[in-house]
Amino acid sequence: GAGVSQSPRYKVAKRGQDVALRCDPISGHVSLFWYQQALGQGPEFLTYFQNEAQLDKSGLPSDRFFAERPEGSVSTLKIQRTQQEDSAVYLCASRQGAIYNEQFFGPGTRLTVL
Amino acid sequence: QKEVEQNSGPLSVPEGAIASLNCTYSDRGSQSFFWYRQYSGKSPELIMFIYSNGDKEDGRFTAQLNKASQYVSLLIRDSQPSDSATYLCAAGGGSQGNLIFGKGTKLSVKP
Repeated sequence: GAGVSQSPRYKVAKRGQDVALRCDPISGHVSLFWYQQALGQGPEFLTYFQNEAQLDKSGLPSDRFFAERPEGSVSTLKIQRTQQEDSAVYLCASRQGAIYNEQFFGPGTRLTVL
Repeated sequence: QKEVEQNSGPLSVPEGAIASLNCTYSDRGSQSFFWYRQYSGKSPELIMFIYSNGDKEDGRFTAQLNKASQYVSLLIRDSQPSDSATYLCAAGGGSQGNLIFGKGTKLSVKP
């Protein structure tokens, strides 16, 4: 596709439910990032993939958060036993080539935990 | 803790004026710097990136970088109401270049 796509665009979950958020990066982009953006804040880094390898997961806030990219393309961010503080917009970004290159963001998934 | 600081604003300028947005960063190891524009309810959209000290111009936008002062700025000339948005400053950090964002500056351009 022409850009990064994410689904669903909106997700409402009851506290304690598990959710799965999908990201489809720009074709050919090796690097994929997940960010979390709370209301009124800048995005915060969660995790990074280079192809299928998860090279950095230092930003994941708890062990309830899990991400995968098994074939080096589509990625899924899973949140188990959701809590109200997980409510945020989850942004996926992809990057081509060198680490100094720009990242292109998808539209995000707005997660609301009731 | 690696941080990027921005004045949250709001910054209000009249149409046609120059808008000046600033940020500072804490990690001297950062090599790349980005300005993203984010409209309400939308995702960040890249405006400019800069790697070297000095100025970089692209149309109405000029990015400035001063690594000695750990300071990055974005100038928007001939501001338009459509420029009204939140502007996010980001520094490339970590060994993989993950972005460290400021909280953003809200810009309002009044007709």
